[in-house]
Amino acid sequence: EAGVTQSPTHLIKTRGQQATLRCSPISGHTSVYWYQQALGLGLQFLLWYDEGEERNRGNFPPRFSGRQFPNYSSELNVNALELEDSALYLCASSRSRASSYNEQFFGPGTRLTVL
Amino acid sequence: AQTVTQSQPEMSVQEAETVTLSCTYDTSESDYYLFWYKQPPSRQMILVIRQEAYKQQNATENRFSVNFQKAAKSFSLKISDSQLGDAAMYFCAYRSEARAQKLVFGQGTRLTINP
Repeated sequence: EAGVTQSPTHLIKTRGQQATLRCSPISGHTSVYWYQQALGLGLQFLLWYDEGEERNRGNFPPRFSGRQFPNYSSELNVNALELEDSALYLCASSRSRASSYNEQFFGPGTRLTVL
Repeated sequence: AQTVTQSQPEMSVQEAETVTLSCTYDTSESDYYLFWYKQPPSRQMILVIRQEAYKQQNATENRFSVNFQKAAKSFSLKISDSQLGDAAMYFCAYRSEARAQKLVFGQGTRLTINP
């Protein structure tokens, strides 16, 4: 069974640009979560999508947004990039929120560097 | 809001010995899940072990076991017969049963295995 995949592996942007990160969940998983792992700040929850809808978002500005497609893959968009957006962005997937057995399985991450 | 605290930024242990990583959490909820994740230098987060709050029995997975003290809100991870491949960042995480579904992470403990 293929795991969670993310692309690209690395992304270099300049301040003010937009970044798009992609995630494909494990087959059969309908929930996708995005986390930011910035140096010194630990892992912070960004967004949760389930069945195509945004279910919850963390304490991040609106320029962090995303969507989930009918095949349950997901995109994270970061607009008007700032230097402090440089981080490892991790995507995780799990079974439906209705399932009690719904551990989150993580992808390898996308390293975003903002210059 | 729930918080997770890992008070040991770094730990080291001799190969084949036993090490315990500490984690405390704060919550007013009675139903929740606790997890330990491992993040090796390759950076992919791997689920090590999970504990349901309603279960009194401590979870075990091969060489990994937990000491779950619900009243004390403590959730430590014991690694027996440490191996070089156990070297990684270890994150303790909390997830509410009732809502949000997001994981709340501790700051992590970097574990070094000395040969």
